[in-house]
Amino acid sequence: QLQLHESGPGLVKPSETLSLTCSVSGDSISRTNYYWGWIRQPPGKGLEWLGSIMYSGYTYDNPSLKSRVTISVDTAKNQISLRLKYVTAADTAVYYCVRPRERGARATSFDYWGQGSLVTVSS
Amino acid sequence: QMTQSPSTLSASVGDRVTITCRASRSINNWLAWYQQKPGSAPKLLIYGASHLQSGVPLRFSGSGSGTEYTLTISSLQPDDFATYYCQQYNDPLTFGGGTKVEIK
Repeated sequence: QLQLHESGPGLVKPSETLSLTCSVSGDSISRTNYYWGWIRQPPGKGLEWLGSIMYSGYTYDNPSLKSRVTISVDTAKNQISLRLKYVTAADTAVYYCVRPRERGARATSFDYWGQGSLVTVSS
Repeated sequence: QMTQSPSTLSASVGDRVTITCRASRSINNWLAWYQQKPGSAPKLLIYGASHLQSGVPLRFSGSGSGTEYTLTISSLQPDDFATYYCQQYNDPLTFGGGTKVEIK
């Protein structure tokens, strides 16, 4: 059974960098052809896709956040990571790690979600 | 850009419920619907505008084409009170603002 588990600091100071890791179990990032991704949801608000990455390191970026977002993959640890630079209070959100429904498709729906990790930006 | 309506919907058990998403340009049926309950991650219901995800009850259905799409719940059940989101994946990936289905 595929499981995604996000981890990282729950509190980040303004102007600093938010870093989260998603640990994947029940599937191998390097043996499958998925674009693993990150989606966030501010408290009480809607969903925003941040970007996606394949095991090869090839990324699919959200143009509106591309300058601040870095997504990376560690196949040895079966993890993907998210870094978001220069955070403000507007970046306070639950951050979800996701797996798409379709192999090899960078633009698709998402059928597996982690439980989410709340990150608060505050001094 | 995805415009979802209504933002809130009050309904009773047994009601037929319809939620609409409108895209700013044709998205060629590259549309999904999700259900989200408080404190939980979204759950995929429909993909490809009308294809039911495995395990999703048959009372859920999706339709539409071009720029306008609908999610229909044929007979609302107690477990269906939640927030629903549409997502287009015609590049880039964007979500609608959500529809909260609440008890009337």
